[in-house]
Amino acid sequence: GQQVMQIPQYQHVQEGEDFTTYCNSSTTLSNIQWYKQRPGGHPVFLIQLVKSGEVKKQKRLTFQFGEAKKNSSLHITATQTTDVGTYFCAGPNFGNEKLTFGTGTRLTIIP
Amino acid sequence: DTGVSQDPRHKITKRGQNVTFRCDPISEHNRLYWYRQTLGQGPEFLTYFQNEAQLEKSRLLSDRFSAERPKGSFSTLEIQRTEQGDSAMYLCASSFGRAVNEQFFGPGTRLTVL
Repeated sequence: GQQVMQIPQYQHVQEGEDFTTYCNSSTTLSNIQWYKQRPGGHPVFLIQLVKSGEVKKQKRLTFQFGEAKKNSSLHITATQTTDVGTYFCAGPNFGNEKLTFGTGTRLTIIP
Repeated sequence: DTGVSQDPRHKITKRGQNVTFRCDPISEHNRLYWYRQTLGQGPEFLTYFQNEAQLEKSRLLSDRFSAERPKGSFSTLEIQRTEQGDSAMYLCASSFGRAVNEQFFGPGTRLTVL
């Protein structure tokens, strides 16, 4: 079945440093979505990418969808304490209505 | 509050008992999803509805699990003869449209099976 892996599993950064998480799917995705889950909270949608090679920015966050639509990345510039949480990528296969979530990257910030 | 709501927020039960959870999606959303999440893992798809029709079920969903969405609005997830391995957070999410789009998650129901 479809597997979606993320690296790294954990990332500890000093406040102000940059952070990147990488997402790799075993199958081609029709789109890729990113969610953030704060400790004790539920996943919150951040963005959806649909086109091959697409890049989108949200303030300090940059999202990229790979050319083969099997990988994606999230880059945060100059992290802040509010960025703490676990970042999940998620995507459906073509013709599939099931959203498969990645393994997640847990970001902690050292003030 | 127009977000997704779930009830109860916490449930403690003894092994072998039946439990039922409820999810109220955002009112105009036609799609409703159930996920299970254990500590340190991502949400794991269980099943989804488009309006009142249950269109897909995970192979992980054993015969002890059943879900309904009788009028295409709220949904219930029942677990019969609970086992300790069923302990997890059960998340409900809803979305609008035909494709797999942005999903809005509820706060979840945390189940503990003793």
